[in-house]
Amino acid sequence: KQEVTQIPAALSVPEGENLVLNCSFTDSAIYNLQWFRQDPGKGLTSLLLIQSSQREQTSGRLNASLDKSSGRSTLYIAASQPGDSATYLCAVIGTSYGKLTFGQGTILTVHP
Amino acid sequence: EAQVTQNPRYLITVTGKKLTVTCSQNMNHEYMSWYRQDPGLGLRQIYYSMNVEVTDKGDVPEGYKVSRKEKRNFPLILESPSPNQTSLYFCASGKNYGYTFGSGTRLTVV
Repeated sequence: KQEVTQIPAALSVPEGENLVLNCSFTDSAIYNLQWFRQDPGKGLTSLLLIQSSQREQTSGRLNASLDKSSGRSTLYIAASQPGDSATYLCAVIGTSYGKLTFGQGTILTVHP
Repeated sequence: EAQVTQNPRYLITVTGKKLTVTCSQNMNHEYMSWYRQDPGLGLRQIYYSMNVEVTDKGDVPEGYKVSRKEKRNFPLILESPSPNQTSLYFCASGKNYGYTFGSGTRLTVV
């Protein structure tokens, strides 16, 4: 059974810092990996999708890497802003009927 | 605009009163799925559908039903809701190329 772990569970940083969120998964037989952002009580917004054949994906200040063999992904946020405050969720898309398995999330707070 | 639309956004109901949460997508996706999100438990899959008339159980299917009569719609049915089904529900569509989620339905069963 696939298990996804995100570290740290919570992170509080001052504005302007570069930061790293970590995601690990137990079964490397994945199709893709997707990072989401969730604001309190709101829906999930897709940030980045990394296909299993890719090593990384970039969008603006966000960069996500994937090392499938070691079961790890990293989300890098450059020059953090208060508007980045949210919960960040990592989800792996399995090879079995495309099931999405989520980590518990990292709660990020960026203070001015 | 490509989107997944859920209705209603908020719902308070009483134990045992049947309800349906609707989900519709405009991206012609074959794959749709329902999740519930609970504090400390994260997001868990309830049911999924790989195509019209093809549905299967996820990790927590007890107390729920689904149907997929049309490609764009995937309603979630609670025949006899109970308080332990109080949760935040999300519908999603997509698959290997990534998922798009609806805005969520906050359900309270009293």
